[in-house]
Amino acid sequence: AQSVAQPEDQVNVAEGNPLTVKCTYSVSGNPYLFWYVQYPNRGLQFLLKYITGDNLVKGSYGFEAEFNKSQTSFHLKKPSALVSDSALYFCAVRDSPYNTDKLIFGTGTRLQVFP
Amino acid sequence: NAGVTQTPKFQVLKTGQSMTLQCAQDMNHNSMYWYRQDPGMGLRLIYYSASEGTTDKGEVPNGYNVSRLNKREFSLRLESAAPSQTSVYFCASSEAPGGWHQPQHFGDGTRLSIL
Repeated sequence: AQSVAQPEDQVNVAEGNPLTVKCTYSVSGNPYLFWYVQYPNRGLQFLLKYITGDNLVKGSYGFEAEFNKSQTSFHLKKPSALVSDSALYFCAVRDSPYNTDKLIFGTGTRLQVFP
Repeated sequence: NAGVTQTPKFQVLKTGQSMTLQCAQDMNHNSMYWYRQDPGMGLRLIYYSASEGTTDKGEVPNGYNVSRLNKREFSLRLESAAPSQTSVYFCASSEAPGGWHQPQHFGDGTRLSIL
């Protein structure tokens, strides 16, 4: 069965420092991986996805993610954090190796960026 | 561009009452979804509709029914509300088919409390 894990409930980082939010996955077949962000009292917003190709995927708001097949990881990164990046981040994987657009979401990681 | 619109935004019910959560999207998407979000559990899929006239159960369908009224609208009904259904409910849509990797677009949620 497909699954994702976000091992950290919260990540704290100082503004201007690089940030990493971790995600590991378990899939049958090719992994289709996504990152979403949720701001308070809002729905999830799509940040980026990995389907195939380059292992470094660039997305919205200066975020990028590194796909590592050997470590089955898809960590979200940003070179310089902003206070406005503080939010809840979700990693997700396609639900099945077959044709489907259903996703399985991780439990979320709260990112707190301090001034 | 409204995207995905959910109504109501907030609702308080008594145990045993019924209600319907409404969702509409204006992006001409085929697939629509209902999720619930609970602390520490991420998003869990309640029901899914791949196209007008079709619905499928997700991970946590018990106590809920859905109706895909047309391509735009996908409603979620609680027939006899229970305190365990206190949650934040999100509707989402995606363009599939069109590649099985299209991102999902989310509404801003309905915050439901069952007393």
